[in-house]
Amino acid sequence: EAGVTQFPSHSVIEKGQTVTLRCDPISGHDNLYWYRRVMGKEIKFLLHFVKESKQDESGMPNNRFLAERTGGTYSTLKVQPAELEDSGVYFCASGQGGAGEKLFFGSGTQLSVL
Amino acid sequence: ELKVEQNPLFLSMQEGKNYTIYCNYSTTSDRLYWYRQDPGKSLESLFVLLSNGAVKQEGRLMASLDTKARLSTLHITAAVHDLSATYFCAVDINNTDKLIFGTGTRLQVFP
Repeated sequence: EAGVTQFPSHSVIEKGQTVTLRCDPISGHDNLYWYRRVMGKEIKFLLHFVKESKQDESGMPNNRFLAERTGGTYSTLKVQPAELEDSGVYFCASGQGGAGEKLFFGSGTQLSVL
Repeated sequence: ELKVEQNPLFLSMQEGKNYTIYCNYSTTSDRLYWYRQDPGKSLESLFVLLSNGAVKQEGRLMASLDTKARLSTLHITAAVHDLSATYFCAVDINNTDKLIFGTGTRLQVFP
């Protein structure tokens, strides 16, 4: 069974440019999450989808970040325009839901904004 | 604001030795998770602890949860090189499915 896949694995862009990260969850998983780890700091929650609906987007840093999950399958996270402080590793995770669900993480996208 | 603290942040240990990683959190929760991450790889779920006194074991790793003390431990028995990785604990407050992660403990096991 394929795991959570993220694309690209690395992205280097200049400040002010736009970048779109993609996450393909495990097939059948309704819950999809985005997390981010900025250098040297904790992994922090960004948002949570249940199917195509945003369940919780309280962790989104600001309105330069836009997440979508059209059709409840894959998700994209767009940063426009990117700033230096957006650099970090962006993780996606998926799960089936339920008490104490086990989340499956992708290997992350390393974003570097220069 | 919920805080999750792990210690130590770095751990260098010899093969065959035992050690414990600690995870303290600052507010009530009865869901705690342990993950392992190898460099450049995804976070791999190790344990899900759902109640006070829960104890789970897998190979050389054993995790426990004390919700009254707001403390979880990850105990390593007779460490081997393959256990070298970064270990994270994460807490789900109010069953919101939003995980608050600790800073991670980078473990290196040497011969």
